[in-house]
Amino acid sequence: SAVISQKPSRDICQRGTSLTIQCQVDSQVTMMFWYRQQPGQSLTLIATANQGSEATYESGFVIDKFPISRPNLTFSTLTVSNLSPEDSSIYLCSGRTGTEAFFGQGTRLTVV
Amino acid sequence: KQEVTQIPAALSVPEGENLVLNCSFTDSAIYNLQWFRQDPGKGLTSLLLIQSSQREQTSGRLNASLDKSSGRSTLYIAASQPGDSATYLCAVSRLGSTLGRLYFGRGTQLTVWP
Repeated sequence: SAVISQKPSRDICQRGTSLTIQCQVDSQVTMMFWYRQQPGQSLTLIATANQGSEATYESGFVIDKFPISRPNLTFSTLTVSNLSPEDSSIYLCSGRTGTEAFFGQGTRLTVV
Repeated sequence: KQEVTQIPAALSVPEGENLVLNCSFTDSAIYNLQWFRQDPGKGLTSLLLIQSSQREQTSGRLNASLDKSSGRSTLYIAASQPGDSATYLCAVSRLGSTLGRLYFGRGTQLTVWP
């Protein structure tokens, strides 16, 4: 299966700042997905990122807070803007080859 | 809306035991089901993928079964080892939804002690 390199693996950020997370895939994938995992919770989909078009956001997530870029079929970024302590979570990117989904290593974000 | 439930939420066993983790989903119109492993603070590692037309998949000491009509899957771990300690997540891909978009359970946190 494909491999996603996600970075940073962790970061501690100040309130009001932003963090950009990058995911690089070692093969071309049509769709990439961004998930959030809050402490003790399961994964919640933030948005689906398509190359060449705007991302599709799930209910409760907005582009101003979570802007996403997808400049080509192997790369995507998620920015978490105007950080607050409630944004402290693990953020994961995902892609699909064939029928199987695969994930990056995750980014553990702590907002202080 | 697809909802995925995993039971138990946590499990602590001595090394060598055989284990069964349970997953249920509300909408049987699934494309496939995947079991993942997550180590603390880390990403997800895919363990097994079962297509909706399949009944089970095996990899080493792991065996996953799927009963689509009843909305259930089980992950069987044989001869558990301390290195199996992790959170195990079940996720389904739903028909009619974006393929690759997964619906997750909350996971079973497994501890295997020596």
